[in-house]
Amino acid sequence: DGGITQSPKYLFRKEGQNVTLSCEQNLNHDAMYWYRQDPGQGLRLIYYSQIVNDFQKGDIAEGYSVSREKKESFPLTVTSAQKNPTAFYLCASSPGTALEQYFGPGTRLTVT
Amino acid sequence: GQNIDQPTEMTATEGAIVQINCTYQTSGFNGLFWYQQHAGEAPTFLSYNVLDGLEEKGRFSSFLSRSKGYSYLLLKELQMKDSASYLCAVSDINAGKSTFGDGTTLTVKP
Repeated sequence: DGGITQSPKYLFRKEGQNVTLSCEQNLNHDAMYWYRQDPGQGLRLIYYSQIVNDFQKGDIAEGYSVSREKKESFPLTVTSAQKNPTAFYLCASSPGTALEQYFGPGTRLTVT
Repeated sequence: GQNIDQPTEMTATEGAIVQINCTYQTSGFNGLFWYQQHAGEAPTFLSYNVLDGLEEKGRFSSFLSRSKGYSYLLLKELQMKDSASYLCAVSDINAGKSTFGDGTTLTVKP
């Protein structure tokens, strides 16, 4: 089955620690995206990548970092510099730039 | 940049029809998407419009007017399971990405 996976589903961390969220897709999609969603709000773009070894900052990139070493994988690191990291993080992929996106199940990160 | 507006909340009755509007402003329009998101879950793709007119897909239809910067999602024969948030997203060819609206939370009542 083709799809996009994120792990873990729930993640708890102490303040001051970096944490990496996993995102893998076997849809052979070129483009991948990371979003953050806070309760009752829409999706805000953190980073996106249109091709391997290249990525661009989204609207709220501060405190986050990414890599795109393989087409299938786009991990997101939430650094200690991110002031309010507790949120629902969604990864998505699409067949090409600015086409429909397919989302993973999301990771709920809680930092205390 | 892009500016996308949708109503925050809507309520409708089971079996009825509801129309969710979306207005947008963008410099490099390359298509408009509608997604459905149930509470606590990830969004799922519903429809895509790039040309003016109506696209029908079962109980759901989506309309686009590029000259007016306007789209709507029409849901017919509403079911309880249609209670969800509906997200409008606009693709910008210049930016190489899509921007999402804040979503419309639809509550379907018996």
